[in-house]
Amino acid sequence: EAGVTQFPSHSVIEKGQTVTLRCDPISGHDNLYWYRRVMGKEIKFLLHFVKESKQDESGMPNNRFLAERTGGTYSTLKVQPAELEDSGVYFCASSQLRDGQWKGPLHFGNGTRLTVT
Amino acid sequence: AQTVTQSQPEMSVQEAETVTLSCTYDTSESDYYLFWYKQPPSRQMILVIRQEAYKQQNATENRFSVNFQKAAKSFSLKISDSQLGDAAMYFCAYRSAEEPGGNEKLTFGTGTRLTIIP
Repeated sequence: EAGVTQFPSHSVIEKGQTVTLRCDPISGHDNLYWYRRVMGKEIKFLLHFVKESKQDESGMPNNRFLAERTGGTYSTLKVQPAELEDSGVYFCASSQLRDGQWKGPLHFGNGTRLTVT
Repeated sequence: AQTVTQSQPEMSVQEAETVTLSCTYDTSESDYYLFWYKQPPSRQMILVIRQEAYKQQNATENRFSVNFQKAAKSFSLKISDSQLGDAAMYFCAYRSAEEPGGNEKLTFGTGTRLTIIP
């Protein structure tokens, strides 16, 4: 089974530009998550999709960040306009939908390292 | 809000020896889950071990075991017979049991980089 795939692996952009990160979850995983790790700090939750619906977007830092998951398959995370503090590693993860039952761990992608200069 | 603290940014251990990584957390909840995740260099983060707070027995997975002290809010990871492949960044994470069904919203620590000395 293919794992969670993220593209690009690295992105270097200038402040004020726009960047779009993509995540392809494991096939059949209805849950999709975005997390971010700013250098040297903890990994922080950004948001959670169930299929195409945003279940929890409490971790999104501000309205410069827009996440979509049209059709409930892959997801994109757009940062517009990017600021210096947006630099970090953005992780995507997916898991099977469960009804109060443990159905396996989160499967993470390799992450996208974003550098804003 | 819950917090997770990993006070050891870096650790090293001789191959075949045992090492313990520390993790403490703060929560007012009584039911929750704790995890250790491992991220090898340039590779995906994977789950190492999982502990349910209502279970008193410490979880084990082969060479990996935890020391879960609920009253002290401590959740350390012990790696026995360390191998070169254990070199990675290790993250401790917390998840509330009260999250709506299906929400794996994790609170992570800052991580511990483990180096294995041949």
